[in-house]
Amino acid sequence: AQSVTQPDIHITVSEGASLELRCNYSYGATPYLFWYVQSPGQGLQLLLKYFSGDTLVQGIKGFEAEFKRSQSSFNLRKPSVHWSDAAEYFCAVGAIQGAQKLVFGQGTRLTINP
Amino acid sequence: DAGVIQSPRHEVTEMGQEVTLRCKPISGHNSLFWYRQTMMRGLELLIYFNNNVPIDDSGMPEDRFSAKMPNASFSTLKIQPSEPRDSAVYFCASLPSGSNQPQHFGDGTRLSIL
Repeated sequence: AQSVTQPDIHITVSEGASLELRCNYSYGATPYLFWYVQSPGQGLQLLLKYFSGDTLVQGIKGFEAEFKRSQSSFNLRKPSVHWSDAAEYFCAVGAIQGAQKLVFGQGTRLTINP
Repeated sequence: DAGVIQSPRHEVTEMGQEVTLRCKPISGHNSLFWYRQTMMRGLELLIYFNNNVPIDDSGMPEDRFSAKMPNASFSTLKIQPSEPRDSAVYFCASLPSGSNQPQHFGDGTRLSIL
């Protein structure tokens, strides 16, 4: 069965600083991997996805993530955060036969200091 | 194009009452998912449909919960009778056909059972 671990429940960074959110997954085959962002009172918005090919994927809002099979990781990065990036971030893994039955991590809450 | 539409956005009711949550998926999407989000358990998949047919309801917590999809543009999640522990945010998501696609989420229904 799939599982996802986001080790950091809460991260605080200063505006303009770089960001890395960690995600480790467990799955027996090549996974589909996703990062979603959730602002308060809102649904989940897709930031980026990995299905195959280039292991460094670019997403919206200046985010990127790198798939590292050897480390079973899919960490999210941004070189310079903005106050509007404050939100909850979820990593998810899906089965290879389509993006169905997603399993989500517990989420990382990001706080931005001015 | 309109996204996934959920109603109501907020629902407050007394325990023992029947609660019905509604979802309109994105037109042309053939898979629909119901999730529940709580602080303790995070995001959990309750049930999903392909082409209006329930495929996996193993996440439905108990018989008080039921879901239907009478046609391609409408689904309901019903709780009868409701209990305070059902308080959560319920999300609906839809997915187009084809394996290389992400799920699209609605803004959720925040349910409070008093």
